Amino acid sequence: SQQGEEDPQALSIQEGENATMNCSYKTSINNLQWYRQNSGRGLVHLILIRSNEREKHSGRLRVTLDTSKKSSSLLITASRAADTASYFCAEGGWGAQKLVFGQGTRLTINP
Amino acid sequence: SAVISQKPSRDICQRGTSLTIQCQVDSQVTMMFWYRQQPGQSLTLIATANQGSEATYESGFVIDKFPISRPNLTFSTLTVSNMSPEDSSIYLCSSGTGQDTQYFGPGTRLTVL
Repeated sequence: SQQGEEDPQALSIQEGENATMNCSYKTSINNLQWYRQNSGRGLVHLILIRSNEREKHSGRLRVTLDTSKKSSSLLITASRAADTASYFCAEGGWGAQKLVFGQGTRLTINP
Repeated sequence: SAVISQKPSRDICQRGTSLTIQCQVDSQVTMMFWYRQQPGQSLTLIATANQGSEATYESGFVIDKFPISRPNLTFSTLTVSNMSPEDSSIYLCSSGTGQDTQYFGPGTRLTVL
């Protein structure tokens, strides 16, 4: 299946501001997972949101899911320099075991 | 949550050689996955490795180039064979299913000269 799209591809904001990243996908999903990757290292799992959920929170992170628009967003509030990383969404399909990753958003937090 | 380790963390190899990457999970898992991340790109699934059966490869990836072993429920290897500079990437393994959280290893950064 085709990879989903994320926008923006790159985002640069000041420390303390909120950052919003969007993800669109093409197929019917069981869940959507968000990951963070620092400097080309391993992926850190942030949040999993299931297709019957609309919103989930984890600390400063808020994820929404709109299955009618096949889109999801990740909001990071009160950003910190340590949030500088690439963020990826990944689709978990029904009956499928693999994830399909979006193109990612490169987030830079300026001190 | 599963803890996954990979070895080596990075390597620089000569063209035409092969490299085997190891992936170890701290608990027994049914499915393990191998992904490639080319420079500046997202992750692309290479293959799914199930214990006791042949790996399932995605379109564009073949067993001769990327042979995979899965000898038990906690371990897998990926070999990158007959390497060329185009194989320079980060290779990541993961465990889990598409219906639940997938956990990733720290990745192996491969540079082919």
